[in-house]
Amino acid sequence: DGGITQSPKYLFRKEGQNVTLSCEQNLNHDAMYWYRQDPGQGLRLIYYSQIVNDFQKGDIAEGYSVSREKKESFPLTVTSAQKNPTAFYLCASSRRGQYEQYFGPGTRLTVT
Amino acid sequence: EDQVTQSPEALRLQEGESSSLNCSYTVSGLRGLFWYRQDPGKGPEFLFTLYSAGEEKEKERLKATLTKKESFLHITAPKPEDSATYLCAVQAVSGTSYGKLTFGQGTILTVHP
Repeated sequence: DGGITQSPKYLFRKEGQNVTLSCEQNLNHDAMYWYRQDPGQGLRLIYYSQIVNDFQKGDIAEGYSVSREKKESFPLTVTSAQKNPTAFYLCASSRRGQYEQYFGPGTRLTVT
Repeated sequence: EDQVTQSPEALRLQEGESSSLNCSYTVSGLRGLFWYRQDPGKGPEFLFTLYSAGEEKEKERLKATLTKKESFLHITAPKPEDSATYLCAVQAVSGTSYGKLTFGQGTILTVHP
């Protein structure tokens, strides 16, 4: 079955630690995206990548980093510089020439 | 700056009671308007894309419509399994094939049996 996988589903970290969230897709989509969702707010774009080895900052990139070494994978690192890291993180992908984005199941990160 | 406002924030319906959700938007040039359904603790599920004013799309009990300023998601004779948060997003015309989605805050729909 084609789709987007995110792991783990739940993640707990102590303040001051960096943490990496995984996102893999087997849809052969070119573009991949990371969003953050907080209660009562719309999804906000963190980073996106249109092709391998290239990515752009979204609206709230501070405190986050990404890499795109393979077409299928787009991991997100939440660094200790991110002031409010506790949130629901969603990865999405889209095909060249189509505008719909398809989402993974999400990772809920809790930092205490 | 692109903006999306959804109303109401929450809607409670009895099973079979039809209603509509609203999505008002401002965007420099609309490439597409998207509706998603999101169940608690899960990722959004794509429902519809609308590209131009007057366009309509249907899927089971849902029908999405688009004007130059807003979109409606009409729910006909809803069932409890339609309970979810419905998200609206817009994408502006840009110079590339890819573009960010600007999301509204969502409408939480609860359908009671």
